[in-house]
Amino acid sequence: QQQVKQSPQSLIVQKGGISIINCAYENTAFDYFPWYQQFPGKGPALLIAIRPDVSEKKEGRFTISFNKSAKQFSLHIMDSQPGDSATYFCAAGFGNEKLTFGTGTRLTIIP
Amino acid sequence: GAVVSQHPSWVICKSGTSVKIECRSLDFQATTMFWYRQFPKQSLMLMATSNEGSKATYEQGVEKDKFLINHASLTLSTLTVTSAHPEDSSFYICSARDNQPQHFGDGTRLSIL
Repeated sequence: QQQVKQSPQSLIVQKGGISIINCAYENTAFDYFPWYQQFPGKGPALLIAIRPDVSEKKEGRFTISFNKSAKQFSLHIMDSQPGDSATYFCAAGFGNEKLTFGTGTRLTIIP
Repeated sequence: GAVVSQHPSWVICKSGTSVKIECRSLDFQATTMFWYRQFPKQSLMLMATSNEGSKATYEQGVEKDKFLINHASLTLSTLTVTSAHPEDSSFYICSARDNQPQHFGDGTRLSIL
């Protein structure tokens, strides 16, 4: 029940396109859903996060869509750029408990 | 923004030695710090959770006598890999938080020869 399932494992998107990464969870107690971006040899950096009282949150080119009834949330990267090429992790947590991370998506943006 | 500094970023040492990794929150007080291990092209594997002034809580399967964690202050936690062996070679990452979100350090690449 603690799992967070992330897909796809890898994704190739053309420059300027939309990158979409999906996550699903089981534990309905989760109330915090962050996305992290990780470049090779670096630690993850918080990109954007959402709580279940809203269905969408947008920050620049990055949008989280949240579907509470389906227990799914997704990251959309608009106008994808080569600099967005990285590994993305979704995560879920509740209260002050530890985060449960997805398995990661390796995103490659091609010219 | 919240900054977490991890040191060293890279260490190579001989088998049997002990290695200490530091994790500092530079501009906030971290009530909780986490230590992760990450294998190439894999997700983050939580090793332990530490709260300031308390003993760390280790995840199942993590040897607490091998991976010693100390969280002596609200801005500093250390991970000591004792009697390190080649199978301990990995990328170790710490994170820190007061409340959500967690903020991560840049990791330590540990190579045991």
